[in-house]
Amino acid sequence: NAGVTQTPKFQVLKTGQSMTLQCAQDMNHEYMSWYRQDPGMGLRLIHYSVGAGITDQGEVPNGYNVSRSTTEDFPLRLLSAAPSQTSVYFCASSSTDRGIEQFFGPGTRLTVL
Amino acid sequence: SQQGEEDPQALSIQEGENATMNCSYKTSINNLQWYRQNSGRGLVHLILIRSNEREKHSGRLRVTLDTSKKSSSLLITASRAADTASYFCATDANDMRFGAGTRLTVKP
Repeated sequence: NAGVTQTPKFQVLKTGQSMTLQCAQDMNHEYMSWYRQDPGMGLRLIHYSVGAGITDQGEVPNGYNVSRSTTEDFPLRLLSAAPSQTSVYFCASSSTDRGIEQFFGPGTRLTVL
Repeated sequence: SQQGEEDPQALSIQEGENATMNCSYKTSINNLQWYRQNSGRGLVHLILIRSNEREKHSGRLRVTLDTSKKSSSLLITASRAADTASYFCATDANDMRFGAGTRLTVKP
């Protein structure tokens, strides 16, 4: 199993551009989530999904959209990138809900100029 | 706001010594988890302790949980240089919040 994969690993955007961060898992996990990690801030939950077709907001959802059309994929869309969205983004999955072991992807380092 | 808060923010020890990190949280929980993050990598799950458990062991790791004080500790015994990483606690309350982590450096 590949586990949780994320693409791209690095990305540089200009302010106002849009892009999609990809996340996929091959463990048939129902729960998937997106976090951002800023220096000294730990991880903050952006959006999460408890299954295909179901998404919900986390702690810091503004400026991001998600969808969950399949169990495997959970893309994160930046609608109009801002410098404040410069961060490292992690995708995670778990078999049932957020309260058990989560498996993390390797992260996407995003810089918005 | 962050649910888990780790203490200390940074810890530097010699190889072979024990490392203790603490975590405090604010609301009631069902379980608490500890994760490790090596520089530039994703988080790796270490151990989960449920609210009705007081202590749990996994190899060189020992985790305690005191729900009355809303705190947990992670003890790494006989530390190795490979244990150098950041350690995070996370609770299942309020959307799985993580603290800012403890940066552990183990000097060979």
